[in-house]
Amino acid sequence: GAVVSQHPSWVICKSGTSVKIECRSLDFQATTMFWYRQFPKQSLMLMATSNEGSKATYEQGVEKDKFLINHASLTLSTLTVTSAHPEDSSFYICSAPVATDTQYFGPGTRLTVL
Amino acid sequence: QKEVEQDPGPLSVPEGAIVSLNCTYSNSAFQYFMWYRQYSRKGPELLMYTYSSGNKEDGRFTAQVDKSSKYISLFIRDSQPSDSATYLCAIQGAQKLVFGQGTRLTINP
Repeated sequence: GAVVSQHPSWVICKSGTSVKIECRSLDFQATTMFWYRQFPKQSLMLMATSNEGSKATYEQGVEKDKFLINHASLTLSTLTVTSAHPEDSSFYICSAPVATDTQYFGPGTRLTVL
Repeated sequence: QKEVEQDPGPLSVPEGAIVSLNCTYSNSAFQYFMWYRQYSRKGPELLMYTYSSGNKEDGRFTAQVDKSSKYISLFIRDSQPSDSATYLCAIQGAQKLVFGQGTRLTINP
């Protein structure tokens, strides 16, 4: 199947700092990518849809100024968590659709904010 | 009411047993139905997807959809310890995936 990578796989940062997470489609182009957040023992919650060449679309309740999304190319989307706080600690996962009905997920990035 | 409901378990069965995992959904407009497997601290891995009512089989896995009841199931035959993971149902409409809560499954040797 299609491969989606994420970098870093885990990151620890101090409260108040910003963290950038990269999501890459390795063997296909993606005009759209999705960013999810998953808290322990909970399901994936869609945060935003990243669109190449235009602004991201955020789900209700997600602060767009805190979670900055940039879809720099057809194979790269980045999520920047600005002024991170301990409550932002979570597992962040991106996905990219290969066809209209199939999404492939990255391995996830575990963020811990101290 | 949540758009997708899934019993979080945990579910523990002996090796070789048949496992049945289920989800219900509320929006009849949903078109595609998927099952993902997620190991601890990893991203979800697509197991099966279907778009019509009926059964779809792939090896030891069978996905079943009943659109009239808004009910989907995943059956695992001859379960193995390596099948131990969290299984998430996901339903797609307008290119957005809505996930169930996930069922934690443990297969005991």
